[in-house]
Amino acid sequence: EVQLVQSGAEVKKPGESLKISCKGSGYIFTNSWIAWMRQMPGKGLEWMGIIYPRDSDTTYSPSFQGQVTISVDKAISTAYLQWSSLKASDTAVYYCARQVYASGSFHYNWFDPWGQGTLVTVSS
Amino acid sequence: DIQMTQSPSSLSASVGDRVTISCRASQNIYIYLNWYQQKPGKAPNLLICGASNLQSGVPSRFSGSGSGTDFTLTISSLQPEDFATYYCQQSYTTPYTFGQGTKLKIK
Repeated sequence: EVQLVQSGAEVKKPGESLKISCKGSGYIFTNSWIAWMRQMPGKGLEWMGIIYPRDSDTTYSPSFQGQVTISVDKAISTAYLQWSSLKASDTAVYYCARQVYASGSFHYNWFDPWGQGTLVTVSS
Repeated sequence: DIQMTQSPSSLSASVGDRVTISCRASQNIYIYLNWYQQKPGKAPNLLICGASNLQSGVPSRFSGSGSGTDFTLTISSLQPEDFATYYCQQSYTTPYTFGQGTKLKIK
C-alpha cells in the first residue's frame, strides 16, 4: 500500500524554527514528485511547492518562495517542509502528497495519496 | 497563475438528490483537472483525475466531465457519506491551484 505518514502536531512561538516531515512507503520514493499544501483554519487548499526526490529539483509557488524550504532525504524516503522564523499566520494544517502521472499522450497528473496532515500552531 | 472558480460555494441537498458542482479555469487547461473530497479533520481524497477518470474504489455515482475551461462534478444520487467539501485542482502548470471549495450540506 502506497502511504505517506507525516510527523505529529507542533506548537511553536513566533520566531522559532520548525521542520516537519513526510515519509513515503509502498513505492519507489525517488520516482515520484512530493508536493506540500497548506490549509489555514476554515479555509481552502493552497499548493506551496514540489520536490523530486531523485535530484532534489524543487519548484515553489510564488506565494511561498522565500518563506519555506522544501527538502528531501532519499536515503530514508522522507520529504521535509521547514521554516526558519515562524509567524502566527503560519498556523495551519500542512499536507504532503505524491504526484502521479498518467501514461499515454496526455500526461495529466494528480495528487494521491495524501499524508494525514500536520497541524502547526504558532502562538505566543 | 491560473485561477480556479467553483460554484456554488455551498449547497444544501437531500439524500438521493442529483448534485452538480462547477469549476471554471481562467485559461485553457485541456483535461488537467482533478476533483477531491475532504471530510472534516481528514486529508483530501482523490475522486476524479484527468477531468473524467474515476479513481479506483470511488463509487460510480461520482462522475466528471468537461475540458478546456469548464468542468463539472456530478453525484448522481447523494448518499449520507457524500456530505463533505469538494475541491477542483488544475494540474496543467505550476503553481498548481485549487478552487475555493464547495461545501455540500444536508438539507
